Amino acid sequence: SAVISQKPSRDICQRGTSLTIQCQVDSQVTMMFWYRQQPGQSLTLIATANQGSEATYESGFVIDKFPISRPNLTFSTLTVSNMSPEDSSIYLCSVVLRDAYEQYFGPGTRLTVT
Amino acid sequence: GENVEQHPSTLSVQEGDSAVIKCTYSDSASNYFPWYKQELGKRPQLIIDIRSNVGEKKDQRIAVTLNKTAKHFSLHITETQPEDSAVYFCGGGSNYKLTFGKGTLLTVNP
Repeated sequence: SAVISQKPSRDICQRGTSLTIQCQVDSQVTMMFWYRQQPGQSLTLIATANQGSEATYESGFVIDKFPISRPNLTFSTLTVSNMSPEDSSIYLCSVVLRDAYEQYFGPGTRLTVT
Repeated sequence: GENVEQHPSTLSVQEGDSAVIKCTYSDSASNYFPWYKQELGKRPQLIIDIRSNVGEKKDQRIAVTLNKTAKHFSLHITETQPEDSAVYFCGGGSNYKLTFGKGTLLTVNP
């Protein structure tokens, strides 16, 4: 497996502001993803973070609200823009290591919007 | 897109009993089915997975079975222990993209 870190681990933000979450992996990976987990709910895929190009978003998620960057193989950011209380969730990155199939999750960022 | 249904939503067993969680999927193109265990306040942890070219896979007390024709797969935990208590998620998909079931809260009573 690999060591996956996320920053910040948690934050409390005012509505209308934006927060950028970072995901760093200590190994080279082929795929990086961003998920949302609302309180007591399942995991919902937001987008695939593509290295050096625009992310691929799932239905219901748009770039203006969740801009994503992935400048290299081991680092990605997710920004939650113009936040509302409905954005309060845990945001997790996940990775697929090179030459593997399994997907591993980061520790998550717990976001509360007031 | 893929749709994954998971049952039951809650499951309570006595220590030492077996637990079975079932999932169905809709997309016949899906070829990868992982299971994750999530303890309270922690990240989902991959516990076992199966690819569509295999019907069953076992790892100590945990096994997964896959029926491609019926589009369903199941997690089997034998000799359950209190530390098995957690939420379990099944996933299904292809090309690394996963859709998850809603989860099963497993409680193992001592």
